[in-house]
Amino acid sequence: DAKTTQPTSMDCAEGRAANLPCNHSTISGNEYVYWYRQIHSQGPQYIIHGLKNNETNEMASLIITEDRKSSTLILPHATLRDTAVYYCIVRVSTGANNLFFGTGTRLTVIP
Amino acid sequence: GAVVSQHPSRVICKSGTSVKIECRSLDFQATTMFWYRQFPKKSLMLMATSNEGSKATYEQGVEKDKFLINHASLTLSTLTVTSAHPEDSSFYICSASGGIGYEQYFGPGTRLTVT
Repeated sequence: DAKTTQPTSMDCAEGRAANLPCNHSTISGNEYVYWYRQIHSQGPQYIIHGLKNNETNEMASLIITEDRKSSTLILPHATLRDTAVYYCIVRVSTGANNLFFGTGTRLTVIP
Repeated sequence: GAVVSQHPSRVICKSGTSVKIECRSLDFQATTMFWYRQFPKKSLMLMATSNEGSKATYEQGVEKDKFLINHASLTLSTLTVTSAHPEDSSFYICSASGGIGYEQYFGPGTRLTVT
């Protein structure tokens, strides 16, 4: 699986959009970009994933650059409950579906 | 999404004893289950992958005789920490998948403290 690079931490004001970047410059053509988050002392929670098109669901939007070497997770209106560690993971679409977690970005939403 | 439970959520045991952690998929059949370990302020580390009815595949550096994994049914996997030591104290998280290419759903985790 390709490796990812994320900022260690970010702050965001409550009610504003949180934009979390991720670099995955060695991503392969059959690898998806996944985002999970982990709230303190809980198991990871799936947020969204995509291959090359931008994706949106009830939780977030995922913007993937045309060359697929980076992506941005957008939480449109951050709340205090969005404070968590956010993990960007790239993973093959077939074969073993292990998830290898990097260090993630610790997002703190500030009142 | 699918629901995965873990039991117990917290456990304290004495050094030298063994402790069993259960991971259950509540509303789907999990052909593959994964066990992760997470130390404070660290990321999740994959320990092993288990397929129903087969022996688990352990990641490098994880002692298979110390961390016994059983995946005897499509809805249950267990992790037994044998002869526990204080350094085994950690947050253990399982995840379950319907198979190759299917999504992983995570349990809420089990915090183990060895005294």
